[in-house]
Amino acid sequence: QVQLVESGGHLVKPGGSLRLSCTASGFIFSDYYMSWIRQAPGKGLEWISYINIGGTTTYYADSVKGRFTISRDNAENSLFLQMNSLTDEDTAVYYCARVTRSFFFDSWGQGTLVAVSS
Amino acid sequence: DIQMTQSPSSVSASVGDRVTITCRASQGINRWVAWFQQKPGKAPNLLIYEATFLQSGVPPRFSGSGSGTDFNLTISSLQPEDFATYFCQQVHSFPLTFGGGTKVEIK
Repeated sequence: QVQLVESGGHLVKPGGSLRLSCTASGFIFSDYYMSWIRQAPGKGLEWISYINIGGTTTYYADSVKGRFTISRDNAENSLFLQMNSLTDEDTAVYYCARVTRSFFFDSWGQGTLVAVSS
Repeated sequence: DIQMTQSPSSVSASVGDRVTITCRASQGINRWVAWFQQKPGKAPNLLIYEATFLQSGVPPRFSGSGSGTDFNLTISSLQPEDFATYFCQQVHSFPLTFGGGTKVEIK
């Protein structure tokens, strides 16, 4: 069955960097777009980034543009999110999601917690 | 950016009740709307896509309607496992945006 497993989240100081990974299984990873979405504690969902199949087209929310970079390795069935210049407003559970050709998020990982605090 | 205004923010209901949640887009988005259910500590789960299509495995008591700017998610007969938070999302254009969520609580 479709499985997405995020990893890499942990406590980091303001100004620090972190790289999240999302490992996919149970489907042909190179057939799907992918996205990252986050959810601050007790808050709603915030889409933050998208990448197409070849990795040639990416989009970002204004809140992370210039600080975060999405990438993927289709040979390794993996999605990544490089996060730089972190602030306490980046504290959230980060989810990766599989994206259909119509841009619907049909499968999600269980999430990984990123906590930014001094 | 397209804003998705979801209402109500919370609703108290009983098992068997019919519940309707509304999302209004700040501009026309055709039928490019999805609805998700999220339970505490879990990832969101896709219920409805393209405004009206039921995702595989989702019970038929869930239904979606609307097009343009106004969209509804209806639960025809609320079941105990349906107490959760529900989010709408527009996929018409980037940045993709979510509604603020509706918490369905037990009356």
